[in-house]
Amino acid sequence: GAVVSQHPSWVICKSGTSVKIECRSLDFQATTMFWYRQFPKQSLMLMATSNEGSKATYEQGVEKDKFLINHASLTLSTLTVTSAHPEDSSFYICSATGGGVKNSPLHFGNGTRLTVT
Amino acid sequence: AQSVTQLGSHVSVSEGALVLLRCNYSSSVPPYLFWYVQYPNQGLQLLLKYTTGATLVKGINGFEAEFKKSETSFHLTKPSAHMSDAAEYFCAVSDAQGAQKLVFGQGTRLTINP
Repeated sequence: GAVVSQHPSWVICKSGTSVKIECRSLDFQATTMFWYRQFPKQSLMLMATSNEGSKATYEQGVEKDKFLINHASLTLSTLTVTSAHPEDSSFYICSATGGGVKNSPLHFGNGTRLTVT
Repeated sequence: AQSVTQLGSHVSVSEGALVLLRCNYSSSVPPYLFWYVQYPNQGLQLLLKYTTGATLVKGINGFEAEFKKSETSFHLTKPSAHMSDAAEYFCAVSDAQGAQKLVFGQGTRLTINP
């Protein structure tokens, strides 16, 4: 079945540094990728939607200059948390869909746990 | 706008007992409805989904859900709980155009007692 690989699975960084999270579709072309964040014991909140080759669409309240999303190819999207702070510590999950088929299924990565110290 | 409400943030059942996780939705257009399961520190795995057609949907691991438009509900059930069912369960809705932009409920943590 379709697989979405997310890397790294966990990362610890110091406050003020930037962290990049990768989301790759391994066996299909992901025309659209979604980025979510999940705080402990809470639901997933959509941060942004990215379509290959175009700028990401951010949800209300999400700082686009802080959470940089790049979807330069049909198999890779990246989320960069810039100047990370402890409040950015969270579980980030990507999902991908595509394949040129309408209503094609959505596949989730295994998430990245970010801890900012 | 769409929204999902999951009744009960935590449900505990005995092994072998019926599992019932409640989900109610709000949508101004015909909804697509989903149930996902999340194990600790992992992404989401699709259990089942409703798009159109038969309102009783069967999914993986013995789970099923019934779409009831009159009640705006999509409750998840399993006749007999297994220890491996312990996880977080999320109900989600998207619009009928299949944009795949999901709105998730708050999640329900299912605990199975031996």
